[in-house]
Amino acid sequence: GENVEQHPSTLSVQEGDSAVIKCTYSDSASNYFPWYKQELGKGPQLIIDIRSNVGEKKDQRIAVTLNKTAKHFSLHITETQPEDSAVYFCAAIRGNLIFGKGTKLSVKP
Amino acid sequence: EPEVTQTPSHQVTQMGQEVILRCVPISNHLYFYWYRQILGQKVEFLVSFYNNEISEKSEIFDDQFSVERPDGSNFTLKIRSTKLEDSAMYFCAGGLAEETQYFGPGTRLLVL
Repeated sequence: GENVEQHPSTLSVQEGDSAVIKCTYSDSASNYFPWYKQELGKGPQLIIDIRSNVGEKKDQRIAVTLNKTAKHFSLHITETQPEDSAVYFCAAIRGNLIFGKGTKLSVKP
Repeated sequence: EPEVTQTPSHQVTQMGQEVILRCVPISNHLYFYWYRQILGQKVEFLVSFYNNEISEKSEIFDDQFSVERPDGSNFTLKIRSTKLEDSAMYFCAGGLAEETQYFGPGTRLLVL
């Protein structure tokens, strides 16, 4: 079955800096890769996604890149703000969502 | 903007008791899911539901678990006889298609 690895587990950046979170997946048939943001005590919130026929997608300060050959995808957050602090999960879908273990992002003012 | 809602937000129960977790998905969604998240760990898939039947379930979703969509709006997860290890956040999710899934705020279940 599908396995998703996510790195790093924690990431601390200064406000205004960029943050990059990386994930790898094992099943080459996976074709949809969403990213979720989870704030304390809340459910995962979909922030951006990418399909396997696209290499990059951007939405304001957030971008996701996908390398199908290497089976990895990354989340890039530019100009980070304190409200970006949360746990971020990547996922891959092959039938159902398989999540990575999460990255706790802390943005220091 | 419509949201997935879940009740209760917190549930404390004794081991061996039955619990029912409720979800109201977004009204035009067709695919429904339950996930769980043990404290500090990743979100794990339990079951998917489409066209009034289970489409896929994980190995976690054993005979103690069941799902139902009794009235076209509510989507419930029942745990027949809770165990200590069932303590977790349970998330309902839904979507128009199989891919894009929108999560509810979760129910925190504590089994004592």
